[in-house]
Amino acid sequence: AQRVTQPEKLLSVFKGAPVELKCNYSYSGSPELFWYVQYSRQRLQLLLRHISRESIKGFTADLNKGETSFHLKKPFAQEEDSAMYYCALGGYGGATNKLIFGTGTLLAVQP
Amino acid sequence: EAGVAQSPRYKIIEKRQSVAFWCNPISGHATLYWYQQILGQGPKLLIQFQNNGVVDDSQLPKDRFSAERLKGVDSTLKIQPAKLEDSAVYLCASSLDWVQETQYFGPGTRLLVL
Repeated sequence: AQRVTQPEKLLSVFKGAPVELKCNYSYSGSPELFWYVQYSRQRLQLLLRHISRESIKGFTADLNKGETSFHLKKPFAQEEDSAMYYCALGGYGGATNKLIFGTGTLLAVQP
Repeated sequence: EAGVAQSPRYKIIEKRQSVAFWCNPISGHATLYWYQQILGQGPKLLIQFQNNGVVDDSQLPKDRFSAERLKGVDSTLKIQPAKLEDSAVYLCASSLDWVQETQYFGPGTRLLVL
């Protein structure tokens, strides 16, 4: 069965430190992986998707099919990066575009 | 462009009562989704509409939950009767189409069942 695992509920770092939010998935086909973010009092929104291979707000994520991982990274954390981050798996099941979300990691960037 | 709209934002009911949530997607978006997010968990898809047809409702508890999108625009999700375990945030999202399109989320409706 398809599954997304985010092992850390909370990640606390200091401003300027590197950040890595872990995400592992379980899926036998060709996955589509996404990172969604929810800032305080804001809506859940797409941060980036692996197919785009782009960097958003300094964040990058590389799909590693061998390790079934899609970790989110940023070299220097900023206080405004503090938010809830969800990894999501999609891209399967015929006509459906449904996403399977992980349980999320709360990133807290300390000044 | 205007985002996905949802109402109400908060609702408190007693168990066995009924409740309905409304969602208006972004104009022109053919695909609409309802997710349930229980505290401490990620969103879980309940139902996906393509225009006014149901594409996926495999995780919708059909004995108590129902949803419709009659004119292919706005949608209503109903729970009847509610149980304590239905306490959650109900998120509506829409996308231009179902093929690898970005999903845009509404603010959610926070439901508390007492």
